[in-house]
Amino acid sequence: DIQMTQSPSSLSASVGDRVTITCRASQSFSNYLNWYQQKPGKAPKLLIFAASNLQSGVPSRFSGSGSGTDFTLTISSLQPEDFATYYCQQSYRTPHSFGQGTKLE
Amino acid sequence: QITLKESGPTLVKPTQTLTLTCTFSGFSLSTSGVGVGWVRQPPGKALEWLAIIHWDDDKNYSPSLKSRLTITKDTSKNQVVLTMTNMDPVDTATYYCTHPNWPYRQIDYWGQGTLVTVSS
Repeated sequence: DIQMTQSPSSLSASVGDRVTITCRASQSFSNYLNWYQQKPGKAPKLLIFAASNLQSGVPSRFSGSGSGTDFTLTISSLQPEDFATYYCQQSYRTPHSFGQGTKLE
Repeated sequence: QITLKESGPTLVKPTQTLTLTCTFSGFSLSTSGVGVGWVRQPPGKALEWLAIIHWDDDKNYSPSLKSRLTITKDTSKNQVVLTMTNMDPVDTATYYCTHPNWPYRQIDYWGQGTLVTVSS
């Protein structure tokens, strides 16, 4: 199985801050890396797919980068609605494992 | 417009078998490249990928749960069924039906989720 490790596990930030979340994979793969946002009591929402592709309807302040084993999600200017938990997921090989999550507070 | 909705029991007893049904619309599981999957999330914990079934009936399971899981499809009814045997309290979670898109298998649509509690 490919293990996904996110850092940090939690992050304290303020509106307007630039925020970066990192996801590291236990094995190298190309760009089969996705990012999701989840708010309490709701299903996750796709933000970024294939490492750097912005899902339709997602604000451009969200961006993704990386390949191989190291990937990042960046929020350029944090907005009040961005306080949530973020998950990375690899979809290169089953099981399509998730990271443990990063709670943005 | 793609929608998915989970249905099944909200409470099961330990050792029982859980059967969840995902009823979807807006796509067909007979179309090449299409898949439907399941993800779960215990209360306050991270997402866990469980299984996926593809248009050609190819199936993949989480290795840690493979012996307990079965995923099937009924293309005519637009349904996917997940069964999990020998339920335990640690299986208490919200179970989501998902639509992993082709070719990167990113989950672009999720069901609302159904909370299943395992308790005697």
